[in-house]
Amino acid sequence: GDSVTQMEGPVTLSEEAFLTINCTYTATGYPSLFWYVQYPGEGLQLLLKATKADDKGSNKGFEATYRKETTSFHLEKGSVQVSDSAVYFCALVGGSYIPTFGRGTSLIVHP
Amino acid sequence: NAGVMQNPRHLVRRRGQEARLRCSPMKGHSHVYWYRQLPEEGLKFMVYLQKENIIDESGMPKERFSAEFPKEGPSILRIQQVVRGDSAAYFCASSPPTGYYEQYFGPGTRLTVT
Repeated sequence: GDSVTQMEGPVTLSEEAFLTINCTYTATGYPSLFWYVQYPGEGLQLLLKATKADDKGSNKGFEATYRKETTSFHLEKGSVQVSDSAVYFCALVGGSYIPTFGRGTSLIVHP
Repeated sequence: NAGVMQNPRHLVRRRGQEARLRCSPMKGHSHVYWYRQLPEEGLKFMVYLQKENIIDESGMPKERFSAEFPKEGPSILRIQQVVRGDSAAYFCASSPPTGYYEQYFGPGTRLTVT
């Protein structure tokens, strides 16, 4: 079945540091890929998405590129802020239309 | 456009009682998903519904749990005879009828069983 593997957290960075959160997946066919963000006490929010190979999703300074050859969708940001502290979830939707989520990666940004 | 609404936000039940969680999807969305989230864990898919139809309930426990999405009104997740292990955050998400199935989440209902 489909699966998503994310790097374990927490990831702890200083403000303005470069962020990478790794995400790899296993799926049949050509899934759509997503990153969601969850702030404390809230539901998940869609951050960005990519629907085919080599697509780059971007939003609020975050980027991720759909790499079919490495089955990866790593999340990056050039300069993180304290307000980016949250839990980030990588997800895919394949032919079953049921999303598969990774376990989430906690990001802590210090001033 | 109002987002996904869930109520109540917090629910406390004693063991053996029933918990009823409600979800109103975004306007124009006909697909509803329910998830459970335990502390320090990811999201666990429970059930996927469209209006008046359960499409996939493979993630839902066979006993005590049920879900519906009637023609009119919100989607309901019902947990009968709750036990302490049911304590968790329950999230509802909706998605549009076409497109790539991005999910729009509600704020969640935090169920505590005492």
